[in-house]
Amino acid sequence: DGGITQSPKYLFRKEGQNVTLSCEQNLNHDAMYWYRQDPGQGLRLIYYSQIVNDFQKGDIAEGYSVSREKKESFPLTVTSAQKNPTAFYLCASSKDRVGKNTIYFGEGSWLTVV
Amino acid sequence: GIQVEQSPPDLILQEGANSTLRCNFSDSVNNLQWFHQNPWGQLINLFYIPSGTKQNGRLSATTVATERYSLLYISSSQTTDSGVYFCAVGAGGTSYGKLTFGQGTILTVHP
Repeated sequence: DGGITQSPKYLFRKEGQNVTLSCEQNLNHDAMYWYRQDPGQGLRLIYYSQIVNDFQKGDIAEGYSVSREKKESFPLTVTSAQKNPTAFYLCASSKDRVGKNTIYFGEGSWLTVV
Repeated sequence: GIQVEQSPPDLILQEGANSTLRCNFSDSVNNLQWFHQNPWGQLINLFYIPSGTKQNGRLSATTVATERYSLLYISSSQTTDSGVYFCAVGAGGTSYGKLTFGQGTILTVHP
């Protein structure tokens, strides 16, 4: 089946540790995105990539890093510099780079930092 | 940046009732989507509708781009319609590919 796969679904980490969330898509989409959702809130954009080897900061990029070495993969690292990392993280992709197509989401990853 | 406001914030219905959800946005957009987030967190695309009207079964949506609002209609609601409905918009220029989300409308449908 075609889609977006995020892993792990649930992740617990100690404060001060970096953690990497995986996102893979087999839709042959050019653009990929990472969003963060806090309880009772809408989604906020962390990073996005419109093409391999290129990415841009979103609205809340501080404390996060990404890479886009392959078209199908867009991993997100939550670093120790992120002050409030506990949240629901959603990866998404869209067919083209100009933002005029439907964006599809993965099932999300719940990160809890204790 | 662009602002997105959704109303109402909460909506409680009896099964079989109809409802209208509204999304207002502050600037011109080239992308507008409606999503349904289920209780497990999955975001499901409902409509890609930067302008015009679309229908899919019991759901339909209308966007009036010149007046900067979109409406999502749910008819004959079912308990499985419960969840959070998000409107998200994208603008052109340097904002290509970025979606700004509203705060959502929490819909609860009772049997």
